[in-house]
Amino acid sequence: GAVVSQHPSRVICKSGTSVKIECRSLDFQATTMFWYRQFPKQSLMLMATSNEGSKATYEQGVEKDKFLINHASLTLSTLTVTSAHPEDSSFYICSAPSGGDTDTQYFGPGTRLTVL
Amino acid sequence: QKEVEQNSGPLSVPEGAIASLNCTYSDRGSQSFFWYRQYSGKSPELIMFIYSNGDKEDGRFTAQLNKASQYVSLLIRDSQPSDSATYLCAVNTDKLIFGTGTRLQVFP
Repeated sequence: GAVVSQHPSRVICKSGTSVKIECRSLDFQATTMFWYRQFPKQSLMLMATSNEGSKATYEQGVEKDKFLINHASLTLSTLTVTSAHPEDSSFYICSAPSGGDTDTQYFGPGTRLTVL
Repeated sequence: QKEVEQNSGPLSVPEGAIASLNCTYSDRGSQSFFWYRQYSGKSPELIMFIYSNGDKEDGRFTAQLNKASQYVSLLIRDSQPSDSATYLCAVNTDKLIFGTGTRLQVFP
């Protein structure tokens, strides 16, 4: 299957700081990428759709000024958690559709964010 | 509210048995259906996708789709302890909606 990478895999930061997470499609181009968040023992919740060359589309209840998304190229999307607080601690996962005749999404390995 | 429902489990089966995982969805307009496996602390890994009514087999895995009943299932034959994980059902309409997952435990 298609390969999606994320960096960093784990980050610990102090409350009030900003954290940037990168998502890359390694062997294909992705005009669209998706950002999910998963709290312990819960399912994945879609946060936003990242669109190359245009603004991201945010799901209801997700603060666009807090979770900044930039899709600067066909292989890279970044999520910046601004002024992070302990309640933002979660597992953040990106995905990208592989294209072709299916809409199958492949997930990155995820980023574990802990805000102290 | 578009929903995808799964029994949270845990579903416990002995090694070598067939594990049957079930999922129902509310949006009749859903066109594509996916099963992902997620190990603890890891991101989801695609197992199978299915678009048409009926069965689709891939190795030890069989996905079954019944659009009339809005039901999709995953069968795992010859279950192994390494199959122990949470299995997520996902349904795509205009976006991918995940169920909460079913935790499968395969004991030796």
